[in-house]
Amino acid sequence: DTEVTQTPKHLVMGMTNKKSLKCEQHMGHRAMYWYKQKAKKPPELMFVYSYEKLSINESVPSRFSPECPNSSLLNLHLHALQPEDSALYLCASSQEPGLLAFFGQGTRLTVV
Amino acid sequence: AQSVTQLDSQVPVFEEAPVELRCNYSSSVSVYLFWYVQYPNQGLQLLLKYLSGSTLVKGINGFEAEFNKSQTSFHLRKPSVHISDTAEYFCAVSQISSGSARQLTFGSGTQLTVLP
Repeated sequence: DTEVTQTPKHLVMGMTNKKSLKCEQHMGHRAMYWYKQKAKKPPELMFVYSYEKLSINESVPSRFSPECPNSSLLNLHLHALQPEDSALYLCASSQEPGLLAFFGQGTRLTVV
Repeated sequence: AQSVTQLDSQVPVFEEAPVELRCNYSSSVSVYLFWYVQYPNQGLQLLLKYLSGSTLVKGINGFEAEFNKSQTSFHLRKPSVHISDTAEYFCAVSQISSGSARQLTFGSGTQLTVLP
């Protein structure tokens, strides 16, 4: 199993809503990531979890809150987002930080 | 610090023609190198990787890349492209060092468009 599964695939939310993005992998990887990708741009790293601990936070606004409940799961909690936060949010995992990363299919988020 | 430069933002090519997508990197230490492909509204899929060993790396869908340490390049090639190869291609690099601070750095991407 070399899959990273993300849910939901699409999400539309208002600026006052609270929602969560979910990511799951069963490859035994110990590093998991959240990336944000705008159209025609490369993925931008948001957070890295290494051995279930937050190791990198790339100065992401506090309206994005990551959580790693266990080694297979990664969540991204969203609250009071802005329209400019609309993007494709990608989850990835790798055996160790910075090594070969497997990506999920992404969640297309639209903030209205 | 490390960086990746993809020299061409768009590459149009006719079907069955060869193609080369260029990637150069900068790093003070040895690196791992990757090429990913992204189809519209999808995640990134690994095409191929260079970790060590032979500098010519073969990947999926008939793609290959050659690691050139002296020129700090990792260009992607395919001898004959298909319409289905139309996608965005990202080169990425990671430093060979230990620790949780090691990161994957992406280039800006190259849009390959295969024309009939």
